[in-house]
Amino acid sequence: EIVLTQSPDFQSVTPKEKVTITCRASQSIGTSLHWYQQKPNQPPKLLIKFASQSISGVPSRFSGSGSGTDFTLTINGLEVEDAAAYYCHQSSRLPQTFGQGTKVEIK
Amino acid sequence: QLQLQASGPGLVKPSETLSLTCTVSGGSMSSVDFYWGWIRQPPGRRLEWIGNLLYTGVTHYNPSLASRVTMSVDASANQFSLRLSSLTAADTAVYYCARRALGGEWNSWGQGTLVIVSS
Repeated sequence: EIVLTQSPDFQSVTPKEKVTITCRASQSIGTSLHWYQQKPNQPPKLLIKFASQSISGVPSRFSGSGSGTDFTLTINGLEVEDAAAYYCHQSSRLPQTFGQGTKVEIK
Repeated sequence: QLQLQASGPGLVKPSETLSLTCTVSGGSMSSVDFYWGWIRQPPGRRLEWIGNLLYTGVTHYNPSLASRVTMSVDASANQFSLRLSSLTAADTAVYYCARRALGGEWNSWGQGTLVIVSS
């Protein structure tokens, strides 16, 4: 099973600041890595697919990069509405797995 | 707009079998372009993939749960179902039904239903 490890677990950030979340895979997964945002009592929402591909309707301040084992989600100019948990997910090999999540709080 | 809605009991006793149904509206399940599946989230823990299926009935299960899981589909009714047997407290979680593109990303999710396993 591929283990995804995110860092940090928690981040407290001022609005308009840049946020960087990393996801490391226990083995190479190419670019089969996707990012989700989850707000309390809501299902996850797809933000980025295949490491860097944007999703229609998702603000352009969200971007992704990486390949192999190291990936990054960047929020350029955090907004108050971005307070949420963020998860990475790999679909390279079964079983699909998710990272443990990164909670982003607004200062 | 595609919508998914999971339904089932909120409370189940240990050792019993959980049955959940996901109803899909705003689109047809009869496409080879998408998988339909279940993902759960125990309180305070990471998301866990349970399994997924095609409308043809082809299934893939998480090996950690495969001995207890059965998924089925009724494409004509736009529904798919999950059965999870031999429940323990560790199965307490929010259960989500969702749609996955063949490439792998989960692009549409239901609201989720909380299942508590307790006597």
